[in-house]
Amino acid sequence: AQSVTQPDIHITVSEGASLELRCNYSYGATPYLFWYVQSPGQGLQLLLKYFSGDTLVQGIKGFEAEFKRSQSSFNLRKPSVHWSDAAEYFCAALSGGGADGLTFGKGTHLIIQP
Amino acid sequence: DTEVTQTPKHLVMGMTNKKSLKCEQHMGHRAMYWYKQKAKKPPELMFVYSYEKLSINESVPSRFSPECPNSSLLNLHLHALQPEDSALYLCASSQDTSGGTKNIQYFGAGTRLSVL
Repeated sequence: AQSVTQPDIHITVSEGASLELRCNYSYGATPYLFWYVQSPGQGLQLLLKYFSGDTLVQGIKGFEAEFKRSQSSFNLRKPSVHWSDAAEYFCAALSGGGADGLTFGKGTHLIIQP
Repeated sequence: DTEVTQTPKHLVMGMTNKKSLKCEQHMGHRAMYWYKQKAKKPPELMFVYSYEKLSINESVPSRFSPECPNSSLLNLHLHALQPEDSALYLCASSQDTSGGTKNIQYFGAGTRLSVL
């Protein structure tokens, strides 16, 4: 079955420190991959996406993600976090056929320490 | 502009009520989606509309009835809901479902539904 795994339920990072959120996928063929962010009580905002080509993708708010086919991973990174980055982060995948909805990981709750 | 507008933001209803959720986009997108998100869980797909036709129904109970009256508007009609249906209901849209960048989904802020 197709699935997306985010192994970290919670991550705590000090403000100004670097961040890496992990995401692994299990699909027959490489899916389209996305990272979304959700602030409390809000909808989902698209941070970045990977379809093909360059394996390092840049997104909004200073985030980037690296696709590694050999590890079936699509990890999200930010060199220096801000208190406003505290939120829930979801990795999501869409099969190449595209006719389905997104399959989400369970999410990682990011806490920023002052 | 990647705005998807959902109304109302909050809704409280009894188990015998009939209510509707509304979703609107003016990006010219031809695919629209309903997701349900329980607290501290990821969104789960409910329905997909492609070119105003229902293309996916993820075995959703009939007390949820979607409607896509035109390419910009998506409704979710609610009737005889249960307390366990309380959740955040998210609408999304994409250019279409043909694949690639056309499948990028943009989400609204959601409707927080409480069923008493």
